[in-house]
Amino acid sequence: GAGVSQSPRYKVAKRGQDVALRCDPISGHVSLFWYQQALGQGPEFLTYFQNEAQLDKSGLPSDRFFAERPEGSVSTLKIQRTQQEDSAVYLCASSLALGTGLGEQYFGPGTRLTVT
Amino acid sequence: AQKITQTQPGMFVQEKEAVTLDCTYDTSDQSYGLFWYKQPSSGEMIFLIYQGSYDEQNATEGRYSLNFQKARKSANLVISASQLGDSAMYFCAMREGGEYGGSQGNLIFGKGTKLSVKP
Repeated sequence: GAGVSQSPRYKVAKRGQDVALRCDPISGHVSLFWYQQALGQGPEFLTYFQNEAQLDKSGLPSDRFFAERPEGSVSTLKIQRTQQEDSAVYLCASSLALGTGLGEQYFGPGTRLTVT
Repeated sequence: AQKITQTQPGMFVQEKEAVTLDCTYDTSDQSYGLFWYKQPSSGEMIFLIYQGSYDEQNATEGRYSLNFQKARKSANLVISASQLGDSAMYFCAMREGGEYGGSQGNLIFGKGTKLSVKP
């Protein structure tokens, strides 16, 4: 079956532009996570959805970052007025419902954002 | 604060030999889960192995095994019979608040270890 997909794979934005990053989770996965991975670092948690509800956005670095999952499947991470420090790989992950199995997360290939 | 420490930025191993990648963690929770992920140059994080805090036996998954020492708060990954395709970044991660998918589940990652397998 299909894994987690993300688009675009690469995005170059000029400072101040808005960008939108898309994530298609594995079908039937209730939980969806966004992570930010800076060069040479491990991923860092941004936000979490359970179905369409955003239950935790404590990792979003500023109010320029916004995420949504309106129908409980596809999710979009939007960054407004991009800054150079936003340059990173943005990873999306999904997992089965709470209390199911190990709760391991399945990751997409990421979107590499470069802000010039 | 919760923390994962991977002290080896890079490791080399000869093909067909075993290698151990170190991971220590810090948490005040009694229930937690530990994960290892592989990240090849393509960028996708691939789940390798899981250890629950109450599991008494070390996890094994094919050529991967996890050397879990709870008192020392370490969860080292052992890769046996290394293959050229094992060359990648390896990340140790922790989920607090429940061994089995019962918590929110966001992961805390270490900085990773870059493994290079030599032919």
